[in-house]
Amino acid sequence: ILNVEQSPQSLHVQEGDSTNFTCSFPSSNFYALHWYRWETAKSPEALFVMTLNGDEKKKGRISATLNTKEGYSYLYIKGSQPEDSATYLCAFMGGGSEKLVFGKGTKLTVNP
Amino acid sequence: EPEVTQTPSHQVTQMGQEVILRCVPISNHLYFYWYRQILGQKVEFLVSFYNNEISEKSEIFDDQFSVERPDGSNFTLKIRSTKLEDSAMYFCASRVVKETQYFGPGTRLLVL
Repeated sequence: ILNVEQSPQSLHVQEGDSTNFTCSFPSSNFYALHWYRWETAKSPEALFVMTLNGDEKKKGRISATLNTKEGYSYLYIKGSQPEDSATYLCAFMGGGSEKLVFGKGTKLTVNP
Repeated sequence: EPEVTQTPSHQVTQMGQEVILRCVPISNHLYFYWYRQILGQKVEFLVSFYNNEISEKSEIFDDQFSVERPDGSNFTLKIRSTKLEDSAMYFCASRVVKETQYFGPGTRLLVL
């Protein structure tokens, strides 16, 4: 059974703080690792798709790194803003499969 | 920006009734998916659909479930005889290029 774990489960930070959270996934049969940002009552928004070991991607104040050999990815948010408040989901895709295997998410709350 | 839409946003039904959840994927997308999230649990894959047939399905997707693309725009999930444990948020997703799956906002199904 494929297992994807995210930590922490929830996080409260002050506006302006930088923060990061972790996604761990199986290191075998890796194809891609996805990050999504999900606000309540909205569609999960695709942030990054990462495929290469050592990959680092950036979108504004959000960046992500990937280590496929040890099976983890970090998501960083620099200078958090209240609008960054959301649940951040990671999802593993293995070779030869269409499905995304999700972690439980990290719920981020940024206090003004 | 094109987006995946889903109707209805909420549905309440009695146990044993049939429900049909509807999705309109992004227009040039070719691959379609259903996922669900039972409250407090991870988002889990149900089925993928390509070229008018199921390409992959999970153990959850038993004979009570079916999918259809009845015309050029809609993609539906039917649950023939709902059970209490089918209560969940159901997400549709679609993609055109490799990897990135775009999600709709979900239908919250409550089975009483």
